[in-house]
Amino acid sequence: ETGVTQTPRHLVMGMTNKKSLKCEQHLGHNAMYWYKQSAKKPLELMFVYSLEERVENNSVPSRFSPECPNSSHLFLHLHTLQPEDSALYLCASSQDIRRTGNRGGYTFGSGTRLTVV
Amino acid sequence: QKEVEQNSGPLSVPEGAIASLNCTYSDRVSQSFFWYRQYSGKSPELIMSIYSNGDKEDGRFTAQLNKASQYVSLLIRDSQPSDSATYLCAVNGANAGKSTFGDGTTLTVKP
Repeated sequence: ETGVTQTPRHLVMGMTNKKSLKCEQHLGHNAMYWYKQSAKKPLELMFVYSLEERVENNSVPSRFSPECPNSSHLFLHLHTLQPEDSALYLCASSQDIRRTGNRGGYTFGSGTRLTVV
Repeated sequence: QKEVEQNSGPLSVPEGAIASLNCTYSDRVSQSFFWYRQYSGKSPELIMSIYSNGDKEDGRFTAQLNKASQYVSLLIRDSQPSDSATYLCAVNGANAGKSTFGDGTTLTVKP
């Protein structure tokens, strides 16, 4: 497989459920990101991992919990979500220029369309 | 003031015309600039990157960067209906791999 793969593509969950989103990149990148995109709203940065270290947590509620076990995998654990959390969740990867000098942009996964009922 | 601002849109052009998308940014030390295309219901796709002042051409797309004016633009020549999408401008700071995105401009190319 190539690029950035996200699973599942669609997820419907109740407010009391616990689920996880998975992201895997096959590009050799060393930084990974979670973004939220709500209808007709801009991209909202949630978390940034560089070399498996969380370098940014953008004031995201604790009901979202990220995990980055290695540079190729990123998870977003979800629990007790609210209906307003329904959105497209996008994973992206890139090269962190602070370490490599490579200034490439992001490669995004296809996203997980989340609906909280 | 937003860190990255784009034309509010929507922008509509006839097929075959030139579409011009504009973006300004507030961080003077920004080093890397990107344009992404996002079709409805899909994820963003990187289409252009530019790092130096001037023009960069790739097929029908031309990115233009003016660091003194803190301005970056994307020109699409011979616009096609398949170019209809939302275009996102993104900017990286001097020491950050993280991109800051604009709100996007929605382009419609009418046959």
